[in-house]
Amino acid sequence: GAGVSQSPSNKVTEKGKDVELRCDPISGHTALYWYRQSLGQGLEFLIYFQGNSAPDKSGLPSDRFSAERTGGSVSTLTIQRTQQEDSAVYLCASSYDGTSGKTQYFGPGTRLLVL
Amino acid sequence: GESVGLHLPTLSVQEGDNSIINCAYSNSASDYFIWYKQESGKGPQFIIDIRSNMDKRQGQRVTVLLNKTVKHLSLQIAATQPGDSAVYFCAEIGGGYSTLTFGKGTMLLVSP
Repeated sequence: GAGVSQSPSNKVTEKGKDVELRCDPISGHTALYWYRQSLGQGLEFLIYFQGNSAPDKSGLPSDRFSAERTGGSVSTLTIQRTQQEDSAVYLCASSYDGTSGKTQYFGPGTRLLVL
Repeated sequence: GESVGLHLPTLSVQEGDNSIINCAYSNSASDYFIWYKQESGKGPQFIIDIRSNMDKRQGQRVTVLLNKTVKHLSLQIAATQPGDSAVYFCAEIGGGYSTLTFGKGTMLLVSP
């Protein structure tokens, strides 16, 4: 079946512009996660959605970062007024539900470059 | 042997050798420890997990060992193949089984 998909695969933007990154989780998965991976580094947790519960936003680095998940499926991560330090790969993952978080299925990521 | 690369620790092995990738963790309350594999240009892929009340678990060509006394986790890959070349991350998750905390990763390079 289809895995997690993300778009765009690459995004180049200018400092100060806003960007939107999209994630389509695996159909039927109720839990969705966003991570950030800087060059040669591990994954930094950003935000977690589970069903209709309030999202866990504890990993968002600043108020320029926000995310939505409409209809319990597709999610959009928005970065406002992008800075050069926002350049990274943004990875989305989904799991069957919130109790299955140890087995997360990752998308290929969106590579963001802020000039 | 192991060396510290520009960004990641790197383990270089010959095809057919056994590989051991190590990870130190900090949270004694974690309920599961997991290994993920990330190939170039792709997202991480689940390999194997181990519950905190176990000390060893075996999969196909892989074995995970957990030493809670020294907070150490290792992944052993038998008969390493070029396709095993990737970055390997350890991760831990608490009792809520929601968010993963990832380690920094080790790059495994397998030479034919």
